[in-house]
Amino acid sequence: GDSVTQMEGPVTLSEEAFLTINCTYTATGYPSLFWYVQYPGEGLQLLLKATKADDKGSNKGFEATYRKETTSFHLEKGSVQVSDSAVYFCALSDRARGADGLTFGKGTHLIIQP
Amino acid sequence: DARVTQTPRHKVTEMGQEVTMRCQPILGHNTVFWYRQTMMQGLELLAYFRNRAPLDDSGMPKDRFSAEMPDATLATLKIQPSEPRDSAVYFCASGGTGVSNQPQHFGDGTRLSIL
Repeated sequence: GDSVTQMEGPVTLSEEAFLTINCTYTATGYPSLFWYVQYPGEGLQLLLKATKADDKGSNKGFEATYRKETTSFHLEKGSVQVSDSAVYFCALSDRARGADGLTFGKGTHLIIQP
Repeated sequence: DARVTQTPRHKVTEMGQEVTMRCQPILGHNTVFWYRQTMMQGLELLAYFRNRAPLDDSGMPKDRFSAEMPDATLATLKIQPSEPRDSAVYFCASGGTGVSNQPQHFGDGTRLSIL
């Protein structure tokens, strides 16, 4: 079945540092890829998405590029802020084969220190 | 701003009791998902509906869990009888169709504790 693997956390960075959170996937079809963010006590919010190879999703300074050859969708941000502290989830869905539900990675807890 | 609404936000009850969680999807969304989040398993898809019809409930323990959509504005997830291992945060999400790969919008979850 489909699966998503992302780097274990917590990841602790200083404000203005460069961020990379790795994500790789396994899928039988041609999935769409997503990054969601979860703040304490809240549900998940879509951060960005990409639906086909070489697409780049971007939002709020975050970017991720759909790399089919390496089955990866790494999240990056050039300069993080304290307000970026949250848990980040990489996910996929494979609607082409009728699997609309999201398959999530375990989540990466990001801590940004002032 | 349209939101998915879940009630209750928190529920503490004793083992063996019936638990009902409710979800109001975003108006106009025709697909509703139920997920469960635990520390050990992370986020897992339990079931989902399109146009109120169940499409996949393979992630749900059938003997004690049931999911329904009595109408387009309400989805329910019931556990009967509840067990301590059911303690988790349960999320509802809704999405639309017509545009491929519409993102899912999540509610704030129901935090369930079974004693």
